[in-house]
Amino acid sequence: KAGVTQTPRYLIKTRGQQVTLSCSPISGHRSVSWYQQTPGQGLQFLFEYFSETQRNKGNFPGRFSGRQFSNSRSEMNVSTLELGDSALYLCASSLNWGQNTDTQYFGPGTRLTVL
Amino acid sequence: AQSVTQLGSHVSVSEGALVLLRCNYSSSVPPYLFWYVQYPNQGLQLLLKYTSAATLVKGINGFEAEFKKSETSFHLTKPSAHMSDAAEYFCAVSPPYTGANSKLTFGKGITLSVRP
Repeated sequence: KAGVTQTPRYLIKTRGQQVTLSCSPISGHRSVSWYQQTPGQGLQFLFEYFSETQRNKGNFPGRFSGRQFSNSRSEMNVSTLELGDSALYLCASSLNWGQNTDTQYFGPGTRLTVL
Repeated sequence: AQSVTQLGSHVSVSEGALVLLRCNYSSSVPPYLFWYVQYPNQGLQLLLKYTSAATLVKGINGFEAEFKKSETSFHLTKPSAHMSDAAEYFCAVSPPYTGANSKLTFGKGITLSVRP
C-alpha cells in the first residue's frame, strides 16, 4: 500500500497570504489528523477528521481550518499567515483513530516558510 | 488531560552501547502509549505501541519499551546502538477511545546521537 502523501513538500509564503496544504491518506483509512511541528512548541495537534466530519480540534486560532472529502483526502488552510506559522505540518492517517489498537501513520510533511 | 514528559533533549551514546530514552506520562484513563522516530526532513515512523496488552512491547529495529503503571513510565531501550539509530525520538500518549479529546499528545522529543 502506498503511504500517506502530502503536497506540496515545501512552500514559501509571505505574511498575510493564505495557504492550502493537502493530504492523501493510506487507502482505506478514514481518519486524518493534522499536526504542527516547530522547534519551540514541538508537535501540536491541530484537528482530526473522520468521514468528512471534524471530530476533534486542538487549541489553534480560527485562521487554521480544515476539511475532509468523501474519498478521505484532507486539506488544511491557514489564512492571514503570520511569521509564527512557519513550521512542518504533518498529516497522519488511521482506520478510525482511537478505536481499539489503531495506529496513526504519518506523511513526510509540508515545510511552510512564512517571510 | 494527558501529558508526556521526556527528560533531557539530547542523549549521546557510543555505537554498541545501550540506548535508554525516558518517557513519563500523565493520564486520567488507562493510556495508549507510543514511540515514534523522526529522521531529518522526514515524517514520524512508529517504533512501537502499548495498548493494554503485554507490558513489554517489542518494536522495529531492535527497540523495546516497558509499560510500568506504578512509575507512570514507558522508557525506550535498545541493547546495542547503531549509527543508523541517530534521530529524534518522540513518546506520545492517547486515550483509548474515539471522538473528542482522542488525540496523540507528544513529548518534546529527544535527539539521539551515536558516536563511532
